[in-house]
Amino acid sequence: EVQLQESGPGLVKPSQSLSLSCFVTGYSITRSYRWNWIRKFPGNKLEWMGYINSAGSANYNPSLKSRISITRDTSKNQFFLQVNSVTTEDTATYYCARSGDYGYTFDYWGQGVMVTVSS
Amino acid sequence: DVQMTQSPSNLAASPGESVSINCKASKSISKYLAWYQQKPGKANKLLIYSGSTLQSGTPSRFSGSGSGTDFTLTIRNLDPEDFGLYYCQQHNEYPLTFGSGTKLEIK
Repeated sequence: EVQLQESGPGLVKPSQSLSLSCFVTGYSITRSYRWNWIRKFPGNKLEWMGYINSAGSANYNPSLKSRISITRDTSKNQFFLQVNSVTTEDTATYYCARSGDYGYTFDYWGQGVMVTVSS
Repeated sequence: DVQMTQSPSNLAASPGESVSINCKASKSISKYLAWYQQKPGKANKLLIYSGSTLQSGTPSRFSGSGSGTDFTLTIRNLDPEDFGLYYCQQHNEYPLTFGSGTKLEIK
């Protein structure tokens, strides 16, 4: 069974970078599908942030494009999110999720990791 | 970006009842609307995609309808396991966007 698990620091200071990892088991991230980051703000709004595909190419939400980077380590079957210059507005629960190359729906999700941006 | 307007924000119902949740897109998304269930401590679950296609494992008491800009999720004969937070998501174009969520609670 496909499983995704996020990890990373729960607290980040304003102006610093936020870095999260998603470890995938049960499926190789180089085989197929798109590997996404999504976040849920306090108040329940969900925002799709971007993905990295099985070939290693990334696509980002234009609202975040200048501040984020999604990369991967194929040897560990992990992918990563980096958000630069964070503010309190980046406080959210961050999820990694798998989506199809054509269907664009998220069929497997991690349980999420809460990140607070505060000094 | 396609804006998704979801209603109601909150919904209370009793087991055995039926409920409907609506989602409206700011422009036509054809049939490409998905529904998700979110519960504390569990991974989010894809229930329905392409407007009305049940994801494998989704109980038949869930159904989806609509096309273009207006969509509905209906849950018949509510089970206690169905209570939680529900989201719609358009999967027609990037950036992918979500509705604001509907909290379904036990009355």
